Amino acid sequence: AQSVTQLGSHVSVSEGALVLLRCNYSSSVPPYLFWYVQYPNQGLQLLLKYTTGATLVKGINGFEAEFKKSETSFHLTKPSAHMSDAAEYFCAVSGMNRDDKIIFGKGTRLHILP
Amino acid sequence: NAGVTQTPKFQVLKTGQSMTLQCAQDMNHEYMSWYRQDPGMGLRLIHYSVGAGITDQGEVPNGYNVSRSTTEDFPLRLLSAAPSQTSVYFCASSRPGQRRYTFGSGTRLTVV
Repeated sequence: AQSVTQLGSHVSVSEGALVLLRCNYSSSVPPYLFWYVQYPNQGLQLLLKYTTGATLVKGINGFEAEFKKSETSFHLTKPSAHMSDAAEYFCAVSGMNRDDKIIFGKGTRLHILP
Repeated sequence: NAGVTQTPKFQVLKTGQSMTLQCAQDMNHEYMSWYRQDPGMGLRLIHYSVGAGITDQGEVPNGYNVSRSTTEDFPLRLLSAAPSQTSVYFCASSRPGQRRYTFGSGTRLTVV
């Protein structure tokens, strides 16, 4: 079975400050890991994904995440927050098989303070 | 525009009524899935399909049926609506193994 735990249902940062959203995963097989973002009244869109290879993954809008197997973590970071980053962020996990389904975390709502 | 189309966008049902949420994609994606989103619960997988004629249950399948007669369409049926099914429903699709989901814009369902 696979699962993800996102630490903090709400995170607030000041504009220009570092964004850090935490995600820990549990998987009995080597995982694929994802971060998705949801803007108000929209569906989700992929920010970045880790499959194999380089453990530091760069995504869209300046976000990146690092896969740390020893810590079973996949935290999302951005050096400098922008007002447009306010959204809900979802960490997700799946197995490596072709038809493995994706399991999402409960989400973290990011608030940007002016 | 290519993508995932969900209809309707909003729906109010009375308890016990049935309805079908429609999902169509024009990207020739074999993999399609239905999620429900509830506050504090994230997205929970209801049913998914890895190709036409093949469906399987996700985490919360009770009260829902699906079928996949074509690659393009993946309707979700509520057999007898209950207030606990009040939620926002998302359909998503991807190429097999790619796991780059394209999401629809959602259907907001209220059961009274």
